[in-house]
Amino acid sequence: EVQLVQSGGGLVKPGGSLRLSCAASGFTFDNAWMTWVRQASGKGLEWVGRIKGKADGGTIDYSIAVKGRFTISRDDSKNTLYLQMDSLKTEDSAVYYCITASIPGTTYAFDVWGQGTLVTVTP
Amino acid sequence: EVVLTQSPTTLSLSPGERATLSCRASESVGTSLAWYQQKPGQAPRLLIYDASNRATGIPVRFSGSGSGTDFTLNISSLEPGDLAIYYCQQRANWPFFGQGTRLHIK
Repeated sequence: EVQLVQSGGGLVKPGGSLRLSCAASGFTFDNAWMTWVRQASGKGLEWVGRIKGKADGGTIDYSIAVKGRFTISRDDSKNTLYLQMDSLKTEDSAVYYCITASIPGTTYAFDVWGQGTLVTVTP
Repeated sequence: EVVLTQSPTTLSLSPGERATLSCRASESVGTSLAWYQQKPGQAPRLLIYDASNRATGIPVRFSGSGSGTDFTLNISSLEPGDLAIYYCQQRANWPFFGQGTRLHIK
């Protein structure tokens, strides 16, 4: 079964740091493009960033909102994706999802979602 | 950036009726457009990819069409369980997702 299991998250003060993890199983992780999206309470989906697979050079892209503060990385030996969040702001409070596309021939249609993890940034 | 604008913002229909949701792109995305359903308290679920292909396990009541800048998600014969927010998404670049259409079932 294709699965993403997230961990990490919680409560942190502005300026603090958190690291989210996303453990993958059931598919070839090292070539998968992995994406983080977030959803603030009552709001829509916001793309955070993406890391391409090994075969595509592992390129990383970030949204303007998080560039320079968040770092996406992967450990292919552990089939795990990470989101290191530094200099957190109250507006970073959201449910964070790790997602991927497992449909052959697509890299953008996200059919596999983690369960989501809540990050709350509050004074 | 490619901006997706969804309409209407909210839709209220009765069971058995047909829902038509629109997604308009600020520039052509070809057929690289997906639709998602997010029920209350759940993660989004992929419904349609490449504008018209149903994802695995999605009922035939859900159909997508369009290309270029104008796309439509149709849900025939609405059921109470279709209560959700529906998002469209393009592959090209940020911000990727539309703002969503909230579907109420009367």
